[in-house]
Amino acid sequence: EAGVTQFPSHSVIEKGQTVTLRCDPISGHDNLYWYRRVMGKEIKFLLHFVKESKQDESGMPNNRFLAERTGGTYSTLKVQPAELEDSGVYFCASSQRGQAGELFFGEGSRLTVL
Amino acid sequence: AQSVSQHNHHVILSEAASLELGCNYSYGGTVNLFWYVQYPGQHLQLLLKYFSGDPLVKGIKGFEAEFIKSKFSFNLRKPSVQWSDTAEYFCAVSHSGNTGKLIFGQGTTLQVKP
Repeated sequence: EAGVTQFPSHSVIEKGQTVTLRCDPISGHDNLYWYRRVMGKEIKFLLHFVKESKQDESGMPNNRFLAERTGGTYSTLKVQPAELEDSGVYFCASSQRGQAGELFFGEGSRLTVL
Repeated sequence: AQSVSQHNHHVILSEAASLELGCNYSYGGTVNLFWYVQYPGQHLQLLLKYFSGDPLVKGIKGFEAEFIKSKFSFNLRKPSVQWSDTAEYFCAVSHSGNTGKLIFGQGTTLQVKP
């Protein structure tokens, strides 16, 4: 069974540009989460989808970040325009509905904003 | 605000040494507790979790953790580490009703010398 996959694994962009990160959860997982780790800091929750609906987006830093999950399958996280402080590793995770506690993480997408 | 504190940022041990990584959290309600591990070049994966019941939890690869409610602690232990345990370890908590929204500690990098 394929795990959670994220693309790209590393993206280098200039301040002001746009980047879109993609996450493909494990097939059949209704829950999809985005997390971010800024260098030297802890991993922080960004938002949670249940199927295509945003369940909780309390962790989204500001309106430059837009997450979507059309059709309840893969998800995208767009940063527009990117700022220096957006650099970090963006993790996606998924879990089955009712599967308490075990999140399956992707390997992360490293974003570097110059 | 809820937070998780991991006592050590970087631990270096020789093979066969015993390991204990400290984790304390601040939250007055009912929590679920987790330890995740990220091996070099790999994704985050669940080591063990505690929801209720026996406060001594056994996980994969010989790891265990003890929940001490009075101390708000969930320390990770292993009696004898191996070189393959070299990784970054993350303690995390979630509220009992929202198990996928994790609050992570800063992470502890464990280096095991052969």
